[in-house]
Amino acid sequence: EPEVTQTPSHQVTQMGQEVILRCVPISNHLYFYWYRQILGQKVEFLVSFYNNEISEKSEIFDDQFSVERPDGSNFTLKIRSTKLEDSAMYFCASSHDRDSYNEQFFGPGTRLTVL
Amino acid sequence: DAKTTQPPSMDCAEGRAANLPCNHSTISGNEYVYWYRQIHSQGPQYIIHGLKNNETNEMASLIITEDRKSSTLILPHATLRDTAVYYCIVRVVGSNYKLTFGKGTLLTVNP
Repeated sequence: EPEVTQTPSHQVTQMGQEVILRCVPISNHLYFYWYRQILGQKVEFLVSFYNNEISEKSEIFDDQFSVERPDGSNFTLKIRSTKLEDSAMYFCASSHDRDSYNEQFFGPGTRLTVL
Repeated sequence: DAKTTQPPSMDCAEGRAANLPCNHSTISGNEYVYWYRQIHSQGPQYIIHGLKNNETNEMASLIITEDRKSSTLILPHATLRDTAVYYCIVRVVGSNYKLTFGKGTLLTVNP
C-alpha cells in the first residue's frame, strides 16, 4: 500500500540554524501539506501546496518557513532560522488522486528538537 | 469549518465495541464528517467519512443522526492497537483545505 515517507525521523539543531525536512508524498497525489504538533498539543496546520504554489497557509507559517517541490517526488519544509519554539513533530500529508474524497494521508513525522 | 465537541477520554474492553460520540450542531449542508486517529505520536490516520448516510468500511462504522448534528464512530471489536486519540472533523468535501484538529477523544482499550 502506498504511503507518505519522511526523513529524517529525528533532527536536532541549534537555535538559529536552518533545517530542511523532507517528505515523499504518495506518487499520484496532487495536494501536499505540512502540519506540526508541539508536544502535548493539538495537530496544527501550517501550509498546503498545489500546482507548485502555496494554496493556503496559517499564521504560524511566517517568513521563516518555506516549502518547495524540487523534483517530481520530494516535498520539503525549510525553516531558515530555527527558534526554541519550533521544536515539534512535523507531519507531511498528501491527498487527492482523482478517485479520492480528499482524505489526507500522513507520514510518520519528523521530530525536530531545537537546542 | 463547523466546530466539534468530543469527550476527552473513554475506556473500552478489548473485544467489545467502542462507540465514540461527536457533536457538530453547526454543521452545514456541504460539510462532511471525517474521523481520523493518532496512535501515540504517529501521523494521523484517516478512518472514515460520511455526509448523512451511515457508512462502513474495514476499520469502522459511522452513524450520523438524521439532523446531522451528531455522529458516532463505532469500532466493532476493539483491540489494544486501537488505543489512540480519535478526532472528529467536519469539512467541506471536494476541497483540499486544511484539516482542523481539536483535542479529540483518547480511547484506551483495556485487556
